[in-house]
Amino acid sequence: GAVVSQHPSRVICKSGTSVKIECRSLDFQATTMFWYRQFPKKSLMLMATSNEGSKATYEQGVEKDKFLINHASLTLSTLTVTSAHPEDSSFYICSARRLGLEQFFGPGTRLTVL
Amino acid sequence: KNQVEQSPQSLIILEGKNCTLQCNYTVSPFSNLRWYKQDTGRGPVSLTIMTFSENTKSNGRYTATLDADTKQSSLHITASQLSDSASYICVVSGGSYIPTFGRGTSLIVHP
Repeated sequence: GAVVSQHPSRVICKSGTSVKIECRSLDFQATTMFWYRQFPKKSLMLMATSNEGSKATYEQGVEKDKFLINHASLTLSTLTVTSAHPEDSSFYICSARRLGLEQFFGPGTRLTVL
Repeated sequence: KNQVEQSPQSLIILEGKNCTLQCNYTVSPFSNLRWYKQDTGRGPVSLTIMTFSENTKSNGRYTATLDADTKQSSLHITASQLSDSASYICVVSGGSYIPTFGRGTSLIVHP
């Protein structure tokens, strides 16, 4: 089956630092990758959609300079939270979609900003 | 506006009992509907995916139904187990395949 990994699984950082989260599709090429954030007991909220080799499309209200997304290859996308603040603490989940219908989610990254 | 409404918001059942979760959507045009199970602190895991022409799909003790005319779906869990305790999310994709998420139903199975 299709597997999507995320690294790290959890990260704690100081306010003002930047954090990079990797999302990899391990056994398939992902034409599109999605980034979500999820607050406790809330639904997943789509942050941005990225296609390999092109700029990400951000959802309304998501600051593209704050959340940098790079989709350099068909198996790797990265999300960098720049100058993180405590309100950025959340659960970040990526998903990857191969050609077709199915979307596979990564295990998520728990970010805590002190 | 594309919306996905799930009910109930939360549900508590005893181990061994059956339950049914509901999903109503207004996404148009319709591409596919998926049910995911999300354990606390984990990413969602796909249970079923259905396209317009499918009205029932099973995955073990999980059976999903789809009525594309009324834009309703249900997820039926048979003989619940403690490990079924999780959030169940209904996701509907439209023409651009951008998904619209429901808020999820939180299921707790008690021994």
